[in-house]
Amino acid sequence: AQSVTQLGSHVSVSEGALVLLRCNYSSSVPPYLFWYVQYPNQGLQLLLKYTSAATLVKGINGFEAEFKKSETSFHLTKPSAHMSDAAEYFCAVMPPDTGNQFYFGTGTSLTVIP
Amino acid sequence: EPEVTQTPSHQVTQMGQEVILRCVPISNHLYFYWYRQILGQKVEFLVSFYNNEISEKSEIFDDQFSVERPDGSNFTLKIRSTKLEDSAMYFCASRDRGGNSPLHFGNGTRLTVT
Repeated sequence: AQSVTQLGSHVSVSEGALVLLRCNYSSSVPPYLFWYVQYPNQGLQLLLKYTSAATLVKGINGFEAEFKKSETSFHLTKPSAHMSDAAEYFCAVMPPDTGNQFYFGTGTSLTVIP
Repeated sequence: EPEVTQTPSHQVTQMGQEVILRCVPISNHLYFYWYRQILGQKVEFLVSFYNNEISEKSEIFDDQFSVERPDGSNFTLKIRSTKLEDSAMYFCASRDRGGNSPLHFGNGTRLTVT
């Protein structure tokens, strides 16, 4: 069965510091990979997606993620945190061989300390 | 940019009552989904819908739940007899064809069962 693991349900960083949110998946075949952000009382917004054109994917708001097949990981990073980055972040995968279902991680709540 | 719209934004109902949550997916999208998120918890898959029929459903999606696409634009989730534990945010999502097409989410309906 497919699973998505996000290590760290809560991450706190200082404003201006590096943001690193971890995501690992379990799949024998590399799935389609996505990161979503959820601000309070809002729906999930796509941050970025892995398209297989490049292992390093750039998204909105200065975020990027690197696909590492050998580590089955798709960690999300941002060089310098901004107060507005405080939100819940979800990693999602869609296995290419199991229909159209997306599997979400349990989410990581990012707090940015001024 | 086209978006998924959901109505109402907040629904309060009494236990045992029927509710219908409404969604208008992005017009050229082919796949439709319902997810729910109990307060502070992860995003849970309920059901996916393609070509006018359910393609996948989770264990949560029992006989009390049903989905319909009554016309070319609306996609509804009905809960026949609500329970207290149905209180959650319900998100509709849609996506285009293509393996790495992302889910596009609405802003959700907050269902409160009293």
